[in-house]
Amino acid sequence: AQSVTQLGSHVSVSEGALVLLRCNYSSSVPPYLFWYVQYPNQGLQLLLKYTTGATLVKGINGFEAEFKKSETSFHLTKPSAHMSDAAEYFCAVTSSGGYNKLIFGAGTRLAVHP
Amino acid sequence: GAVVSQHPSRVICKSGTSVKIECRSLDFQATTMFWYRQFPKQSLMLMATSNEGSKATYEQGVEKDKFLINHASLTLSTLTVTSAHPEDSSFYICSAFGGGDRRTSTDTQYFGPGTRLTVL
Repeated sequence: AQSVTQLGSHVSVSEGALVLLRCNYSSSVPPYLFWYVQYPNQGLQLLLKYTTGATLVKGINGFEAEFKKSETSFHLTKPSAHMSDAAEYFCAVTSSGGYNKLIFGAGTRLAVHP
Repeated sequence: GAVVSQHPSRVICKSGTSVKIECRSLDFQATTMFWYRQFPKQSLMLMATSNEGSKATYEQGVEKDKFLINHASLTLSTLTVTSAHPEDSSFYICSAFGGGDRRTSTDTQYFGPGTRLTVL
């Protein structure tokens, strides 16, 4: 069985500050890990993904995440927050092959204030 | 990139009526599509997995007779909410897996923009 835990349902940062959104997963098989962003009343947009290979993954909009197997973590970071980063962020896991269903975390709402 | 569309984006209907939501992969073939439901300020809940040409696989607790899913082609899946009631009001989102097209990957779900259903 697989599961995802996102620590912190709400995160608030100042514009220009570091963004850190935490994600821990549980999986009995090698995981594929994803971060998605959702803006109000919209679907999900893929930020980045880890499947195999390099553990530091760079995504769109300046975001990156590092897969740490020993810590079962896949935290999302961005060096400098922008007002447009305010949104809901979801971490998700699936098993290799990808056609299996995604298991989503509860989501973290990121607020960016001036 | 891979684009998934949904239609309609918003729908308001009376209690007891049926509503059909379409999910299309616009530039790739999707052998597998998923349907999710999202309540306000909550995560996505998988309702069913839809494979082209076969019956959908529903998650536990999801009524298959209430939420009819048809995946008639490699680019289209539909979700019909039958005899809708106010508790069916929600945000419904579909996703699709690429079918090996070079523009998509087979390990990533591409999501549609969602459909807001309001049942009066």
